[in-house]
Amino acid sequence: AAGVIQSPRHLIKEKRETATLKCYPIPRHDTVYWYQQGPGQDPQFLISFYEKMQSDKGSIPDRFSAQQFSDYHSELNMSSLELGDSALYFCASSLRTGQETQYFGPGTRLLVL
Amino acid sequence: AQSVTQLDSQVPVFEEAPVELRCNYSSSVSVYLFWYVQYPNQGLQLLLKYLSGSTLVKGINGFEAEFNKSQTSFHLRKPSVHISDTAEYFCAVSYGGATNKLIFGTGTLLAVQP
Repeated sequence: AAGVIQSPRHLIKEKRETATLKCYPIPRHDTVYWYQQGPGQDPQFLISFYEKMQSDKGSIPDRFSAQQFSDYHSELNMSSLELGDSALYFCASSLRTGQETQYFGPGTRLLVL
Repeated sequence: AQSVTQLDSQVPVFEEAPVELRCNYSSSVSVYLFWYVQYPNQGLQLLLKYLSGSTLVKGINGFEAEFNKSQTSFHLRKPSVHISDTAEYFCAVSYGGATNKLIFGTGTLLAVQP
């Protein structure tokens, strides 16, 4: 079965640079979630989208923005990168109908030098 | 605030022994509970979930969990572990409503020893 696709899988950036992470949900899934997992930490919810509209917002820095496109893929844009942004970024997708399971992608490991 | 507590940061256990990983959540009228497993350098894989109905939930790889509303717990169990079960296990909760965001516990490292 098709899974959530994230690209790139690994990314190295310098401080103050920008980064764009992409997420392609499971076909027919209309909801996308972004999570950030710092080293040795639990995943923290950043933001979610349903039908291209932001549905919820968590602890996402103002330097980050995200959107969901008409084909339901999503992009997380990160500007003015800081060392503390180094983390594993997960995307998950689900169907919005009722309480559906979120299926996670393999993650993008971002290293800020 | 909504929260999930995993009481054990690390659980060492010998191969073929039983194991229980504990999870407690802050109470709510409606709650949906999940266990995810994360192998080293990999993503999160769903082990099992409780949405409604039977309080005993069976998942993949021989794991099961029991939802206990009165104790606000959702402990994960396996009767006999294998070396390959060594991984980080995360309990997560969703409170429904307008958002399905998951709130994760801090994780428990299950270390299976031969």
